[in-house]
Amino acid sequence: DAGITQSPRHKVTETGTPVTLRCHQTENHRYMYWYRQDPGHGLRLIHYSYGVKDTDKGEVSDGYSVSRSKTEDFLLTLESATSSQTSVYFCAISDLTAGEETQYFGPGTRLLVL
Amino acid sequence: AQSVTQLGSHVSVSEGALVLLRCNYSSSVPPYLFWYVQYPNQGLQLLLKYTTGATLVKGINGFEAEFKKSETSFHLTKPSAHMSDAAEYFCAVSGSASGGYQKVTFGIGTKLQVIP
Repeated sequence: DAGITQSPRHKVTETGTPVTLRCHQTENHRYMYWYRQDPGHGLRLIHYSYGVKDTDKGEVSDGYSVSRSKTEDFLLTLESATSSQTSVYFCAISDLTAGEETQYFGPGTRLLVL
Repeated sequence: AQSVTQLGSHVSVSEGALVLLRCNYSSSVPPYLFWYVQYPNQGLQLLLKYTTGATLVKGINGFEAEFKKSETSFHLTKPSAHMSDAAEYFCAVSGSASGGYQKVTFGIGTKLQVIP
């Protein structure tokens, strides 16, 4: 258990509204990631963070922004939600124990954009 | 560049039969390889990983995988399927990190059905 929680776990929203998802970790990991999971695509990286206020884009970053003001929190914002952003969103951290990097995942947030 | 191919998006086995889930990868650097399992409505759970050393890796729940560099494969096996193994399985590859950032590429997943 990597001590990762996500909130909310489920959300229904309407097209055009802003949405913020939160990822919280308790073990002071430096690296945090946001993925989306869609059938036939596996997991795709949206954004990642390598420290407080240090973030970068992943492969599917359009329409998303992130912020990290504290080590423990990594926020994902959909500025204006679209139906194509209906997905399951997972947060992950990198555990760099013994130099063997392994990602561990939170429980996910199911987002439905109507 | 790196990529992962999981052969078979759905696999069905009888309870007690061998489980074999196939994964092939490509990577321009020595890879780290992972298998994750996802039960319905849950997150991904690490099943096992290969980083360096022994090429036969044992994981949780009786699963194991063998890294075969010559075949660029990392197939997941379990000698005897149990009903509780029904889940979706993801193979993933990671190259060496650049400044600590770990780029992980996931396969599209294989759903395992276990038939009583």
